[in-house]
Amino acid sequence: SQQGEEDPQALSIQEGENATMNCSYKTSINNLQWYRQNSGRGLVHLILIRSNEREKHSGRLRVTLDTSKKSSSLLITASRAADTASYFCAILFQGGSEKLVFGKGMKLTVNP
Amino acid sequence: NAGVMQNPRHLVRRRGQEARLRCSPMKGHSHVYWYRQLPEEGLKFMVYLQKENIIDESGMPKERFSAEFPKEGPSILRIQQVVRGDSAAYFCASSPPGTGGFEQFFGPGTRLTVL
Repeated sequence: SQQGEEDPQALSIQEGENATMNCSYKTSINNLQWYRQNSGRGLVHLILIRSNEREKHSGRLRVTLDTSKKSSSLLITASRAADTASYFCAILFQGGSEKLVFGKGMKLTVNP
Repeated sequence: NAGVMQNPRHLVRRRGQEARLRCSPMKGHSHVYWYRQLPEEGLKFMVYLQKENIIDESGMPKERFSAEFPKEGPSILRIQQVVRGDSAAYFCASSPPGTGGFEQFFGPGTRLTVL
């Protein structure tokens, strides 16, 4: 399966702590994207990292990509209660159709 | 530039009825993608269309589901004779031509409930 897989599947932390989630995949990618989804709501695009990039930052978010290990990580620093949501990685694979392949998601709970 | 628009946002159907979901892509975007999200799951690709053409329908169930993106008007995802298992959130995304779907912009989704 080409599906990205997030790890861990659920994480509960205290406000102010950092949260790290990982995404692994199996074949060559074009890019990898992270999305957030609040319960029952739409998707919010967080960050896109290209296959030739190793690290990107956006505010409190830091994404790394290791193509040799076929994995990416999303770090949220100084978490807030408002960061409570499900987080998904989505992958655009090389040479395939223009379809994004999503992982099953990771539920992050930030306790105040 | 308005984002991707989907309507209705919520749709309730009884088993056996038809559901029609609409998606208006962003201005200038000619590529449309439909994804389905079952409860507690990630999004699953269903179909990729360009104007008047289905490019990839590998994720579409073989029966009861169809999609179109006419020359004029929104893209339509049609589900005939709905069953309870069709209850899900259906998301549409669009991207401009010539980008290989590099970045897809998602709509707010339509939540279908089948009674």
